[in-house]
Amino acid sequence: GDSVTQMEGPVTLSEEAFLTINCTYTATGYPSLFWYVQYPGEGLQLLLKATKADDKGSNKGFEATYRKETTSFHLEKGSVQVSDSAVYFCGTGGYQKVTFGTGTKLQVIP
Amino acid sequence: DTGVSQDPRHKITKRGQNVTFRCDPISEHNRLYWYRQTLGQGPEFLTYFQNEAQLEKSRLLSDRFSAERPKGSFSTLEIQRTEQGDSAMYLCASRKPGELNTEAFFGQGTRLTVV
Repeated sequence: GDSVTQMEGPVTLSEEAFLTINCTYTATGYPSLFWYVQYPGEGLQLLLKATKADDKGSNKGFEATYRKETTSFHLEKGSVQVSDSAVYFCGTGGYQKVTFGTGTKLQVIP
Repeated sequence: DTGVSQDPRHKITKRGQNVTFRCDPISEHNRLYWYRQTLGQGPEFLTYFQNEAQLEKSRLLSDRFSAERPKGSFSTLEIQRTEQGDSAMYLCASRKPGELNTEAFFGQGTRLTVV
């Protein structure tokens, strides 16, 4: 079945630092790729997605590019803010279900 | 609010009791999912409905777990004879019909504590 591997956290960064969270996947067919974010005490929210190879998803300053050749979908942001502190989940989704990684906790300090 | 709704938000139960959770998906979303999330882990897939048909169940789902979606709208997840290991956040999600790989929309979850 599908699987997702994310870099382990927690990741601690100073405000305005550059963020990369690595994500690689294995999947059959042509899945979509997702990044979800979970703020403390809240449910999962879609952050961005990409539906085919070489697509770039972007939202709120975050970006990720669907790299089929390396089966990766790394999340990046040029300048993080304290409000970005949350847990980030990478996911791969075919028609049937979305499979998630274990999550990467990001803590941004002022 | 037109998002995915779950009820209750929190449930504390004694070991051995049965519990039932409800999920109301976004209107017209024909695909509905149940996931379980424990502390520090990602959501683990439990089961999936397309309309009223349960199309897939995870091997993680023991015989004590059962889910229904009788009219293809809301769904219930029942856990019989709860165990302490069942303590977790139970998440429901739904997806639009027609589009193959669209994103899942999640509810706030039901946090179960078995004491």
